[in-house]
Amino acid sequence: AQSVTQLDSQVPVFEEAPVELRCNYSSSVSVYLFWYVQYPNQGLQLLLKYLSGSTLVKGINGFEAEFNKSQTSFHLRKPSVHISDTAEYFCAVSALNQGAQKLVFGQGTRLTINP
Amino acid sequence: EAGVAQSPRYKIIEKRQSVAFWCNPISGHATLYWYQQILGQGPKLLIQFQNNGVVDDSQLPKDRFSAERLKGVDSTLKIQPAKLEDSAVYLCASQPGAYGYGYTFGSGTRLTVV
Repeated sequence: AQSVTQLDSQVPVFEEAPVELRCNYSSSVSVYLFWYVQYPNQGLQLLLKYLSGSTLVKGINGFEAEFNKSQTSFHLRKPSVHISDTAEYFCAVSALNQGAQKLVFGQGTRLTINP
Repeated sequence: EAGVAQSPRYKIIEKRQSVAFWCNPISGHATLYWYQQILGQGPKLLIQFQNNGVVDDSQLPKDRFSAERLKGVDSTLKIQPAKLEDSAVYLCASQPGAYGYGYTFGSGTRLTVV
C-alpha cells in the first residue's frame, strides 16, 4: 500500500516570496507522483506529474517539483508566488503495478499568500 | 472538451435520509472514480469503474453507500441512510483508460448532514 505525508498543513508566505510545499511518500513499489491544486469550492486541478525521466518536473502556473527517490520526496516549489496562488495543494501517488490508476492523496497544505 | 459534470453542487439533508449524486464524465473516458473529501483531509477513493464494471470498491461502506454506472457513461452515488459523518465533498473524476496519467475532476457535491 502507498501513503503520502504532507509535512505542513498550512504555509503562509508573502507575495513574490519563494515557497516550498513538502511531500513524502511511502511505497514498496515504484510510483507515479502528482501535485493537485484546489481553489475554494472547486474540484482538483492537476499541477504537474512525475512519471519517469528527468526528476525535475515543470507544471502550470510556474510551479515545479523534484522527485528524490532516495528520500522518497516530491516537494513542490515556486520561485515567486502571487495572491492568486492561494489554495489547497495535494500531493498524490499511484503505484506502477496497479492495473487501474488509483490515487492516494496526502492531507493537503493550505497555502496563504499575504500582500 | 467539456469537463466532468456533477450535480447537485450542494445538498443539505437530515440524518437517516437518503441522497443521490450524479456524475457525467468526459465523453469517451472509460474510467470513472468517486472520491470522498472530508473537511481538512485529502480525497479518499470510494469506488472505481472501468466502463460499467467495478474495479475497486474496497473502501465503499456498502451497508449504506451504493454506486452504479449505467452503460459505461453516467454514474450515480447513493447514500441510504445518511449519517452525520457522511458530511463531505463528493468528487467524481474520469480518465480515458486504465493507464491515464492524471484524472480530470468535477467540481464536486458538498453534502451536509444535520
